[in-house]
Amino acid sequence: AQSVTQLDSQVPVFEEAPVELRCNYSSSVSVYLFWYVQYPNQGLQLLLKYLSGSTLVKGINGFEAEFNKSQTSFHLRKPSVHISDTAEYFCAVSDTDKYIFGTGTRLKVLA
Amino acid sequence: GAGVSQSPRYKVTKRGQDVALRCDPISGHVSLYWYRQALGQGPEFLTYFNYEAQQDKSGLPNDRFSAERPEGSISTLTIQRTEQRDSAMYRCASSLFSSMGQKNSYEQYFGPGTRLTVT
Repeated sequence: AQSVTQLDSQVPVFEEAPVELRCNYSSSVSVYLFWYVQYPNQGLQLLLKYLSGSTLVKGINGFEAEFNKSQTSFHLRKPSVHISDTAEYFCAVSDTDKYIFGTGTRLKVLA
Repeated sequence: GAGVSQSPRYKVTKRGQDVALRCDPISGHVSLYWYRQALGQGPEFLTYFNYEAQQDKSGLPNDRFSAERPEGSISTLTIQRTEQRDSAMYRCASSLFSSMGQKNSYEQYFGPGTRLTVT
């Protein structure tokens, strides 16, 4: 069965530092990949998605992710984080009509 | 425009009671999904609809859980004879469309969720 692994449950980082949130998926077939962000007391919001084409995908709020088929990874990066980026981030994969989500990574940006 | 709305936002119920959770999707969205999210976990798929047809209910944990979308818009997730293990955040999402069995490229728009606590 399809699965998504987010190895880091929490990532603390200082403001203006770069950050990488890791995501690995298990699938031997072609997939679509997504990153969602969840702010406190809000619904999940799409940051970016990879469907095909360029392996470097740019999203909202300065985030980007790189699809690596050989490593089955889709890591999320931001070169300089802000306090407002503090939230929970979920990676998701779709090889059928459903999305499968990872367990999430809580990003804590420190002043 | 209005996003996905869910009601109630919080529900506390006693074990053994039935609960009904409501989801109002974005107008015009064909597909509607229900997820359950336990604390510290990602959303877990329960079921989804295209229009009023329930396409996939493989994620419903047992026959106490059911969902309907009778007019292809608002949906209700019902949990009968609630148990403490049913306590979780229940999230609804909608998207333009999803073809059964095919990769889903459309963004899912999520509602704020209903926090269910069974005492």
